[in-house]
Amino acid sequence: DAGITQSPRHKVTETGTPVTLRCHQTENHRYMYWYRQDPGHGLRLIHYSYGVKDTDKGEVSDGYSVSRSKTEDFLLTLESATSSQTSVYFCAIRASSTGGPNEKLFFGSGTQLSVL
Amino acid sequence: AQKITQTQPGMFVQEKEAVTLDCTYDTSDQSYGLFWYKQPSSGEMIFLIYQGSYDEQNATEGRYSLNFQKARKSANLVISASQLGDSAMYFCAMSTYNQGGKLIFGQGTELSVKP
Repeated sequence: DAGITQSPRHKVTETGTPVTLRCHQTENHRYMYWYRQDPGHGLRLIHYSYGVKDTDKGEVSDGYSVSRSKTEDFLLTLESATSSQTSVYFCAIRASSTGGPNEKLFFGSGTQLSVL
Repeated sequence: AQKITQTQPGMFVQEKEAVTLDCTYDTSDQSYGLFWYKQPSSGEMIFLIYQGSYDEQNATEGRYSLNFQKARKSANLVISASQLGDSAMYFCAMSTYNQGGKLIFGQGTELSVKP
């Protein structure tokens, strides 16, 4: 257990409304990630963070923003949700402080988001 | 560009038999890592096994082994003696040094183990 909590676990919202998903970690890890999972696409990186207020885009960042004002919290915001953003969202952390390629990620339990 | 390809959307295996899940990758980086994750129907992502690009031996973790063929850019997962609890989605993933350790994933393979 890497001490990752995602909230909410499930959310249903309407098109055009703002939505914020929260990822909370208890172990002060530097690197945090947001992925979305869709059938046929595996997991795709939305945004990631390598420290407080240090964030960068992933491959599917359009329509999403993130913030990290504290080490333990990484927020993902959909400013104006669309049906194409219906997905399962996973937060992940890297236990190591380095950016090397040999460290696995630990994942949260996921958030099922439905945009109607 | 980095890419992971899993060409088997779904597979069936008889209980107690071995099964191989295919994964090919593409990268120009010399330093990279290859990972396999399992996702059961409950949804959590479970790390299974890791192979580094400079590792000379194939990685093994219990009933899981990774058949690493560097020249062919393949990193197949072998599950020996399949169990009913192995029924799940399996994802191959890659991390490269030049990408700051971010993981990119394949599309996944859904494995069903028959009794």
